[in-house]
Amino acid sequence: DAKTTQPPSMDCAEGRAANLPCNHSTISGNEYVYWYRQIHSQGPQYIIHGLKNNETNEMASLIITEDRKSSTLILPHATLRDTAVYYCIVREGGANNLFFGTGTRLTVIP
Amino acid sequence: DVKVTQSSRYLVKRTGEKVFLECVQDMDHENMFWYRQDPGLGLRLIYFSYDVKMKEKGDIPEGYSVSREKKERFSLILESASTNQTSMYLCASSSDWTGNTEAFFGQGTRLTVV
Repeated sequence: DAKTTQPPSMDCAEGRAANLPCNHSTISGNEYVYWYRQIHSQGPQYIIHGLKNNETNEMASLIITEDRKSSTLILPHATLRDTAVYYCIVREGGANNLFFGTGTRLTVIP
Repeated sequence: DVKVTQSSRYLVKRTGEKVFLECVQDMDHENMFWYRQDPGLGLRLIYFSYDVKMKEKGDIPEGYSVSREKKERFSLILESASTNQTSMYLCASSSDWTGNTEAFFGQGTRLTVV
């Protein structure tokens, strides 16, 4: 499985966009990029995923570079409830497991 | 609302005890997973199951076993609990992996072995 690299921590002002980067330089052609987040004392929550194209849903946007070696999760208007650890994962289609790293701890500041 | 339910939120057991952690999902998913989460180490996969009675080892299966007798239920077993198995345990489930589906997680069981 391809590995991901994320900064250990980031801060973001409330109401501003939070941009969380992820490097996955060894990603292969059939591997998807997934983002999850984990709010303190809860199980991880799915946010968004994509293969090649940029994706948007009600929670966030996912921007994947053309070479697919990195991606950015964007929370357009961060709130205090977005304070969490965010995990970037790459997973092969057909694979039965998810490999999590240590993620980025995002702190939204009032 | 989709749901993955873990039987206990907090559990305290003694060294050497046999411990069962239960997980039930109501989404008719084929795949179920057990992870443990420790500070600074992220989530590490212990075992997963892709069908009833089928199982595969993850990254850290030593000291654990699993059971999947019914599709909706996946049990993690610590045959003889040790203090280094004190951790947060997370169960997850997902439908058939095509790459285009997400996993749903339970709330976790915080196990303390004394």
